[in-house]
Amino acid sequence: DTEVTQTPKHLVMGMTNKKSLKCEQHMGHRAMYWYKQKAKKPPELMFVYSYEKLSINESVPSRFSPECPNSSLLNLHLHALQPEDSALYLCASRSTTGKTYGYTFGSGTRLTVV
Amino acid sequence: DQQVKQNSPSLSVQEGRISILNCDYTNSMFDYFLWYKKYPAEGPTFLISISSIKDKNEDGRFTVFLNKSAKHLSLHIVPSQPGDSAVYFCAASKYSGGGADGLTFGKGTHLIIQP
Repeated sequence: DTEVTQTPKHLVMGMTNKKSLKCEQHMGHRAMYWYKQKAKKPPELMFVYSYEKLSINESVPSRFSPECPNSSLLNLHLHALQPEDSALYLCASRSTTGKTYGYTFGSGTRLTVV
Repeated sequence: DQQVKQNSPSLSVQEGRISILNCDYTNSMFDYFLWYKKYPAEGPTFLISISSIKDKNEDGRFTVFLNKSAKHLSLHIVPSQPGDSAVYFCAASKYSGGGADGLTFGKGTHLIIQP
C-alpha cells in the first residue's frame, strides 16, 4: 500500500458544526502533515506530526485541532469555522528513516463552510 | 516573504518539444527540492526530487537541474506530451535529521501542451 487515503472527499459544514477530517497511511511513515490549499494558491503547511507528536504548528487558529491517535492515522478536528476556511485540505506523509525523502500526498478533502 | 518562487504562472509548449519550468529559492537552509504535478481538486503527485549535494537528477522524460550558487532549479520535460498539461509546483525542504520539516511550495506554473 503506497497511498495516503483521505476521507471524506467533500464536506460542507455550517459555522456552528463540528466535523473531522481523516487521513490514513500504511507505509510506515512516521511523519505526517496537514496542508491547506486555497484556489490558485500553493499548499500551505498547517501542522507536522513526527512520531505521533506535534512538532510544528504554523500558527493555525485553534478552531483547527489536529490529532494523531497512532502511527497510521491523522485527524483534523474542525469547530466554529469561518467561510474563509473553505479550501482543499491535504494530508501527506513521509519516511523519517534512510534516504527516502519523498512526500506522499492524499487526494484531499474539499471543505466548504457555509 | 516568499522563499520559493516560480515566476511564470503559465507556460505553453508544443507537443514533442522540451518544457522547461523554473524555480528560485531564497533560503540557503533548504537541502532538498521536489517537483510535484497537480490536477484540479486532487493532491499533488510527486514527480522528481534532488538533494542539494547533486546538480542533476534524471528519471525518464524528467530531469531536474540544481544550481546552488544561483539558488535556482529547473525541471525539463522532454518530449512534452498532452498528458503533461497540469500545474507544476516546485517545493523545498529542510531535512532536520531524524525529524521532518514540511514543504515550502512555490505558487506553481500551469503547463499547457499544445497539440
